[in-house]
Amino acid sequence: DQQVKQNSPSLSVQEGRISILNCDYTNSMFDYFLWYKKYPAEGPTFLISISSIKDKNEDGRFTVFLNKSAKHLSLHIVPSQPGDSAVYFCAAIGADGLTFGKGTHLIIQP
Amino acid sequence: DTEVTQTPKHLVMGMTNKKSLKCEQHMGHRAMYWYKQKAKKPPELMFVYSYEKLSINESVPSRFSPECPNSSLLNLHLHALQPEDSALYLCASSQDTGSRASTNEKLFFGSGTQLSVL
Repeated sequence: DQQVKQNSPSLSVQEGRISILNCDYTNSMFDYFLWYKKYPAEGPTFLISISSIKDKNEDGRFTVFLNKSAKHLSLHIVPSQPGDSAVYFCAAIGADGLTFGKGTHLIIQP
Repeated sequence: DTEVTQTPKHLVMGMTNKKSLKCEQHMGHRAMYWYKQKAKKPPELMFVYSYEKLSINESVPSRFSPECPNSSLLNLHLHALQPEDSALYLCASSQDTGSRASTNEKLFFGSGTQLSVL
């Protein structure tokens, strides 16, 4: 049973536009959420995080929104740049530690 | 230095071979992790070391044997692997204790070792 779900395996966005990556979770006990970015042949890199007591966290071009009632979080990247093309993993922390989603492959088109 | 260094980057081994994966970090992190990642799947936790002691073993087969010689080094010894063990093996570290209940588990990942078992 997947506790962290990224339902879009891939997403294509034009350069300069906004990229929105979505993540849903089922475990209401998760208390911290993270986004990781992964290039081919490299390990995941931490991008941004949000505590369950907040609904928004912003860092430069990256903003994460958390909707606890809907058990949904999203990562907004604006403006999207070619270097943003990568796989993005949503992850959540609960009593069992870190749980990753399956990832969304973001493709930024020129 | 904010890097986690893994060697080798690629490894091909037969089912009777013995090999070791190495991981090193000099950030003073006290928790180190081994993850396994298959293509198009999320990373799966294998082992966690906290203060050089094994704190979590996710029911990993004994053909995988972790070792933490000191706070900066983490090894994964491989013996009698199966072809289905072929995957990307990722090492990670965090400043936190690495317990299941820890929060803010901001992990720093290495680039991984791409392992192929023939």
